[in-house]
Amino acid sequence: QKEVEQDPGPLSVPEGAIVSLNCTYSNSAFQYFMWYRQYSRKGPELLMYTYSSGNKEDGRFTAQVDKSSKYISLFIRDSQPSDSATYLCAMMGGGATNKLIFGTGTLLAVQP
Amino acid sequence: DTAVSQTPKYLVTQMGNDKSIKCEQNLGHDTMYWYKQDSKKFLKIMFSYNNKELIINETVPNRFSPKSPDKAHLNLHINSLELGDSAVYFCASSQKGANVLTFGAGSRLTVL
Repeated sequence: QKEVEQDPGPLSVPEGAIVSLNCTYSNSAFQYFMWYRQYSRKGPELLMYTYSSGNKEDGRFTAQVDKSSKYISLFIRDSQPSDSATYLCAMMGGGATNKLIFGTGTLLAVQP
Repeated sequence: DTAVSQTPKYLVTQMGNDKSIKCEQNLGHDTMYWYKQDSKKFLKIMFSYNNKELIINETVPNRFSPKSPDKAHLNLHINSLELGDSAVYFCASSQKGANVLTFGAGSRLTVL
């Protein structure tokens, strides 16, 4: 079993829809939770960063972490065609030698 | 100005050959990484260097040898290339102890 599980999709939604992307994980030591966005043929870029449980909002994006359920989510409101990309969740514990562990990514297509 | 730059962007080679990928960052970060992304978009850490010192070495075949001449550069040399080495290799960097990585655009390696 992978440490981080993510539905690979693809997920296709119409423009303006609310998108929900999710990851589950097994390692209770994870404290830092991130969402990266990766456009085709590009490197991942950080979208959202959350420490421990709770919500964080940035424009149309909201990240939620539920450590008790080992479940994280990314919500995209009013989705745009420019949001079409692969979304990767990533997480790590504390400590200098801790590794950032990625989910497999969810491919999102927002149809105009 | 590109923050994390990798060369070459594309590499096509025959099985058994040796090849190198170079990475440079101009962000002043102390830590650099190599990640491998397979055809299913799964991103897995291979190596991490902090100020030229190896701190993470995943279970990677010893045909892969990283080298960090200074903290701004991390190169990856691969001996005796195999078909399964075909992937996109991403270089990344971060401040020491930080959880946020900045990725390069990737180097797509195809082994024939």
